[in-house]
Amino acid sequence: AAGVIQSPRHLIKEKRETATLKCYPIPRHDTVYWYQQGPGQDPQFLISFYEKMQSDKGSIPDRFSAQQFSDYHSELNMSSLELGDSALYFCASSSNGVYEQYFGPGTRLTVT
Amino acid sequence: GESVGLHLPTLSVQEGDNSIINCAYSNSASDYFIWYKQESGKGPQFIIDIRSNMDKRQGQRVTVLLNKTVKHLSLQIAATQPGDSAVYFCAEPYTSGTYKYIFGTGTRLKVLA
Repeated sequence: AAGVIQSPRHLIKEKRETATLKCYPIPRHDTVYWYQQGPGQDPQFLISFYEKMQSDKGSIPDRFSAQQFSDYHSELNMSSLELGDSALYFCASSSNGVYEQYFGPGTRLTVT
Repeated sequence: GESVGLHLPTLSVQEGDNSIINCAYSNSASDYFIWYKQESGKGPQFIIDIRSNMDKRQGQRVTVLLNKTVKHLSLQIAATQPGDSAVYFCAEPYTSGTYKYIFGTGTRLKVLA
């Protein structure tokens, strides 16, 4: 079965640079969620989209923005990167009204 | 073996034994809970879920117990196998009816051969 696809899988950036992470949900899933997971920590919810509209917002820094496109893929844009942004970034998808979220393999962002 | 996620983040069990991983949740109004398994370098993988109107739910080798009185969840894994080695998280919605999750502190399960 098709799973959530994230790209790139690994990304190395320098401080103050920008990064764009992409997420392709499972086919026919209309809701996308972004999570950030620091080393040894639990995933922290950042933001979610349903039908291209932001549906929920969590602890997403103002330096980050995200959107969902007409084909339901989503992009997380991160600017003015800081060392503390180094983490695993997961995207999850679900069908609207369904609690179960399916997670992608994650993008490991390293800021140097 | 048994653990309390917040105070004992690593649980070591012998292969073939049963494992019990515990989780305390915060929102008494939560109506849904999920257990996720996360292997090193991978995304969380759904294991089993339970709605608040249930006390117990069984899957393949896994059972989730819900005690709403003390806001406690447990995940029981029968006949633990090496492939069960991972970090286990419980998750609940931020508020009832929403679909963004709060993840509990993970518990690392180590299966000893």
